[in-house]
Amino acid sequence: AQSVAQPEDQVNVAEGNPLTVKCTYSVSGNPYLFWYVQYPNRGLQFLLKYITGDNLVKGSYGFEAEFNKSQTSFHLKKPSALVSDSALYFCAVRVYNQGGKLIFGQGTELSVKP
Amino acid sequence: ETGVTQSPTHLIKTRGQQVTLRCSSQSGHNTVSWYQQALGQGPQFIFQYYREEENGRGNFPPRFSGLQFPNYSSELNVNALELDDSALYLCASSQGGGELNTGELFFGEGSRLTVL
Repeated sequence: AQSVAQPEDQVNVAEGNPLTVKCTYSVSGNPYLFWYVQYPNRGLQFLLKYITGDNLVKGSYGFEAEFNKSQTSFHLKKPSALVSDSALYFCAVRVYNQGGKLIFGQGTELSVKP
Repeated sequence: ETGVTQSPTHLIKTRGQQVTLRCSSQSGHNTVSWYQQALGQGPQFIFQYYREEENGRGNFPPRFSGLQFPNYSSELNVNALELDDSALYLCASSQGGGELNTGELFFGEGSRLTVL
């Protein structure tokens, strides 16, 4: 069965410091992995995806994610956090051969303090 | 290019009632997926429609049903509402079915349903 785990419910970071939000996955076949962000009372916004190729994927708002096949991880990173990055972040994996069906993790709340 | 729009944004129903939620997909997209997001949880896949046909379903009972129209807009219907149906219902549009769909979804703002 395919699954996604986000081991941290909350991550606290000081503005200007690097941030990492962790994600591990379990899939059959080659993984299609995603990060989405959700601001309060809003829908989800696509940040970035990994399908194939370079293990370091760059996305919106200065975020990037590193795909590690041996550790089955897809951690989200940003070199310098902003207060406006504070939001709920979801890692997701696409179900094999089922197009728009994504399995989401439980989410990690990122809090960036000035 | 218009984004994904959902209506209504908020609604309150009582147990046993029926509800219909609506979604207009992003221009150029032919696939609509519906997700349920309970408070403090990640979104859970309900079902997906591709070219007016149901194309995948999650672990939801038959009282959750849907439609997709020729213009690719969609409806989610829930019958015999239960308290646990209280959640944010998210519609997402994308392009392609099966392996053609990379899974990059464009979400609407959601419809928040409260069941009393």
